[in-house]
Amino acid sequence: GENVEQHPSTLSVQEGDSAVIKCTYSDSASNYFPWYKQELGKRPQLIIDIRSNVGEKKDQRIAVTLNKTAKHFSLHITETQPEDSAVYFCAAKEEWGAQKLVFGQGTRLTINP
Amino acid sequence: DADVTQTPRNRITKTGKRIMLECSQTKGHDRMYWYRQDPGLGLRLIYYSFDVKDINKGEISDGYSVSRQAQAKFSLSLESAIPNQTALYFCATSDSPGTGNSGYTFGSGTRLTVV
Repeated sequence: GENVEQHPSTLSVQEGDSAVIKCTYSDSASNYFPWYKQELGKRPQLIIDIRSNVGEKKDQRIAVTLNKTAKHFSLHITETQPEDSAVYFCAAKEEWGAQKLVFGQGTRLTINP
Repeated sequence: DADVTQTPRNRITKTGKRIMLECSQTKGHDRMYWYRQDPGLGLRLIYYSFDVKDINKGEISDGYSVSRQAQAKFSLSLESAIPNQTALYFCATSDSPGTGNSGYTFGSGTRLTVV
């Protein structure tokens, strides 16, 4: 089955700097890769996703890149703000096969003022 | 707004007791999931269901059972709770493939403590 590894487990950056979180996956059949943000005491919420037919996707200050050959994908947050502090999870699934998300272990991102 | 609702929000129970966590949704999704969240381990799948007559084990199903009472309701039971089942439990729903909307919608979570 699919296995997703996420690094780093914790990340601390200065406000205004960029943050990058990386994930690798094991199953080459996976073709859908979402990222979730979980604020303290709240539910995970989808912030961006990418499918395997696309190499990069942007939404304002966040972007995701995908390298299918190397089986890794990354979340990039630019111009970080205090409200970006949260736990971020990557995930992967095969949309028409196993069809269930496998999550990474999570990254606790702290933005220092 | 369409949503995913979990009850209870918090529960403390004793070792050996049976407990049920409930999930209901108004999103009209066919697919429902139960995940467990532990620090440093991410979200791990316990059980999932793609329709009312479909129940599947996830990676950590031992000690748990589920019931899909209707399209909108999916319950998780701990038959005999043990302390290492202390965790944050999330229900989630998703649309079917081909709709263009593959992401999950999570419930607000149930924090379960087994003493």
